Amino acid sequence: TAGITQAPTSQILAAGRSMTLRCTQDMRHNAMYWYRQDLGLGLRLIHYSNTAGTTGKGEVPDGYSVSRANTDDFPLTLASAVPSQTSVYFCASSVSFDNEQFFGPGTRLTVL
Amino acid sequence: QKEVEQNSGPLSVPEGAIASLNCTYSDRGSQSFFWYRQYSGKSPELIMFIYSNGDKEDGRFTAQLNKASQYVSLLIRDSQPSDSATYLCAVNTGYSGGYQKVTFGIGTKLQVIP
Repeated sequence: TAGITQAPTSQILAAGRSMTLRCTQDMRHNAMYWYRQDLGLGLRLIHYSNTAGTTGKGEVPDGYSVSRANTDDFPLTLASAVPSQTSVYFCASSVSFDNEQFFGPGTRLTVL
Repeated sequence: QKEVEQNSGPLSVPEGAIASLNCTYSDRGSQSFFWYRQYSGKSPELIMFIYSNGDKEDGRFTAQLNKASQYVSLLIRDSQPSDSATYLCAVNTGYSGGYQKVTFGIGTKLQVIP
């Protein structure tokens, strides 16, 4: 079982460019999440989705957008990247919102 | 005050000793609590969850929850060098702004010395 996959593994992006980070899960989990992890700040929630067709804003949503067209996929888009978006991005999923979360391998993004 | 607080460490323990990792939280309404382990350069993986006051044991790991004092701890018995990692405490504080809010601590780095 693959669990959660993310792509790309890492990326260097010029400021002002757009990019979509991909996330796919095969566990049929209802809830999915995007976090960024920065040294000294821990994991911070960017956006979430309770179920296919719905999304919501987390703690740090500015500059990011998401969609949830189906159960399995939850892409994260940076419309116009800025250096402060340099981070490690983790996608996660859970059966429902009050259950434990399973994390993907992460995407290391550098914005120059 | 941070919602979930952990000492960033590093916490150094000798091999075979008990490692004690602590976490405090601010929201008295918090209902569920999770411990994740994160190796350097890897993603977090769940090792324990606890909902009720008291202890929960799973192999060498014991989670302890005291809701009155608002702390949750993780004990690792017979610590091994392979336990060296950062341990994240996560607290589900209930619905906030339309979603079940799970707040992560910054993590405690554990070093087990052979």
